[in-house]
Amino acid sequence: EAGVAQSPRYKIIEKRQSVAFWCNPISGHATLYWYQQILGQGPKLLIQFQNNGVVDDSQLPKDRFSAERLKGVDSTLKIQPAKLEDSAVYLCASSLDRLAGGQGTGELFFGEGSRLTVL
Amino acid sequence: LAKTTQPISMDSYEGQEVNITCSHNNIATNDYITWYQQFPSQGPRFIIQGYKTKVTNEVASLFIPADRKSSTLSLPRVSLSDTAVYYCLVGAFISGGYNKLIFGAGTRLAVHP
Repeated sequence: EAGVAQSPRYKIIEKRQSVAFWCNPISGHATLYWYQQILGQGPKLLIQFQNNGVVDDSQLPKDRFSAERLKGVDSTLKIQPAKLEDSAVYLCASSLDRLAGGQGTGELFFGEGSRLTVL
Repeated sequence: LAKTTQPISMDSYEGQEVNITCSHNNIATNDYITWYQQFPSQGPRFIIQGYKTKVTNEVASLFIPADRKSSTLSLPRVSLSDTAVYYCLVGAFISGGYNKLIFGAGTRLAVHP
């Protein structure tokens, strides 16, 4: 079974430029997450989708970050304009979620991440 | 959402058993406890999940006391390859069947020869 795919793996840009990251979740996983992980810290949830609807985007800096999940499959995270503090690894994860009746663990499957460096 | 507290770092030696304790004093009735492992340059990976008492799988054991205000991840006979960051998460499966998990800072485990 293919895992969560992310691209690009690495990106270097200058501040005020824009960047986009792409994520293809595991087939059949309804929920998709974008996390930001700054060096030395735990992942921080930016946005969570259930199919193509947003469940939680309370920590997404909406003045510069945007994300979409058209058709409820692939997702794109965009940053425009980038700031120095946006340098981080952007992790995408997907989960099958827990079925009615309590089946499953809702385990998150993560991609390898996209490392962004803003100069 | 319940906040978790873990030791920032731990050291161990190959072959020893490692126990990492996580405090979650404000855990709610519907919350589950989940542990993830993260190696450098990789995304976190699910290790184990529990609600109460003890859960064991091929990788680890999870001990949860009756009051559920803490949990302990036990790694038997660690090897160098167990050097990683371990995250304790507490969260519920909210309406619609989907969960919402918040990562803390994690525990950096270093296993020495």
